[in-house]
Amino acid sequence: DQQVKQNSPSLSVQEGRISILNCDYTNSMFDYFLWYKKYPAEGPTFLISISSIKDKNEDGRFTVFLNKSAKHLSLHIVPSQPGDSAVYFCAAPLPSGSARQLTFGSGTQLTVLP
Amino acid sequence: EAGVTQSPTHLIKTRGQQATLRCSPISGHTSVYWYQQALGLGLQFLLWYDEGEERNRGNFPPRFSGRQFPNYSSELNVNALELEDSALYLCASSRWVTNEKLFFGSGTQLSVL
Repeated sequence: DQQVKQNSPSLSVQEGRISILNCDYTNSMFDYFLWYKKYPAEGPTFLISISSIKDKNEDGRFTVFLNKSAKHLSLHIVPSQPGDSAVYFCAAPLPSGSARQLTFGSGTQLTVLP
Repeated sequence: EAGVTQSPTHLIKTRGQQATLRCSPISGHTSVYWYQQALGLGLQFLLWYDEGEERNRGNFPPRFSGRQFPNYSSELNVNALELEDSALYLCASSRWVTNEKLFFGSGTQLSVL
């Protein structure tokens, strides 16, 4: 049973436009969320996180929004750049395990077209 | 500072054999996590080691096992390999700090023929 879901396997965006990647979760006990980015032949790297006490966290071109009532979070990239082309995973720590025992979504392949 | 290193990069085995994957965490990190990424799927949590002990395991059969050594490096062993074990196996490490992010290695691509 997947507790974190990314329903869009792929997304294509023009360079300079906004990329919006979505993630839904089912477990209301989740209180912290992370986004990871993965390039081919590399491990995932941490991008940005948000605590459930916030509804927005911003870091440069990356902003994560959290809607707890809808159990939905989204990652906005503005402006999108070709180097942002990668697979993006949302993740949350399992409440019953270590804070780093993360459950991941299936990922969204973002392609930024020049 | 060296990142998380994994070896080998690629591993080809036949069904029924055993595979051993290795991971060296970032210096100062005591926790090691193993994840499996099968084709088209997200990262599935496999095992968590800290201070030499297995702390938790995901929903995988017992033929997936491992250990953590005194220097905090880790091995993942997969016995009686099955075709569906073909996947990218990622190791990650972290310090024991609340909400500390994971640092991942580049993974071992295991192919079972």
